[in-house]
Amino acid sequence: AQKVTQAQTEISVVEKEDVTLDCVYETRDTTYYLFWYKQPPSGELVFLIRRNSFDEQNEISGRYSWNFQKSTSSFNFTITASQVVDSAVYFCALSENYGQNFVFGPGTRLSVLP
Amino acid sequence: DAGVTQSPTHLIKTRGQQVTLRCSPKSGHDTVSWYQQALGQGPQFIFQYYEEEERQRGNFPDRFSGHQFPNYSSELNVNALLLGDSALYLCASSFGGVSYEQYFGPGTRLTVT
Repeated sequence: AQKVTQAQTEISVVEKEDVTLDCVYETRDTTYYLFWYKQPPSGELVFLIRRNSFDEQNEISGRYSWNFQKSTSSFNFTITASQVVDSAVYFCALSENYGQNFVFGPGTRLSVLP
Repeated sequence: DAGVTQSPTHLIKTRGQQVTLRCSPKSGHDTVSWYQQALGQGPQFIFQYYEEEERQRGNFPDRFSGHQFPNYSSELNVNALLLGDSALYLCASSFGGVSYEQYFGPGTRLTVT
């Protein structure tokens, strides 16, 4: 069965620090998708990125970057020069079978202090 | 372009009662998935509706049931409410029966007393 682990329950950083959120996944499928979502205090899940299992290229979007390594089954998320508005719970998720069986990790609560 | 909408926003019910939550998908989407998010945890998949049928189901008892209407909107019904059913219920919509591009609604906060 698939599984997503986010070992960091809570992280606190000071504004402008860089922070990396870890995600480790387990799956038996060769075709799968990995995601990161942000959940601010309002509760709505905000989509950040999707990556399929055939694309190991790292991605950068502004202050956000993602490192996908199939060899270690990891899909880590880095925020550069963090800001207070980045404070939220971040979830890593895995979907197998061309978008079925969606599984979320337990989440990492990030607090960015001014 | 309206996103995913859910109603009501908040709901308080008593143990043993029944509740119905509603979801309207994003324009152009035909697939609705429901998730339960207990406090401090990640969302857990309940089930997915596509073409008015339940296509997938997570590890939830039969007390949890749903429906999808011809306009693609969906309802989640929970019977015989337990205290442990208190959670944020999230609806997500997508297209074509798959979930790799799904958009979430704001959720319904259910409190069972």
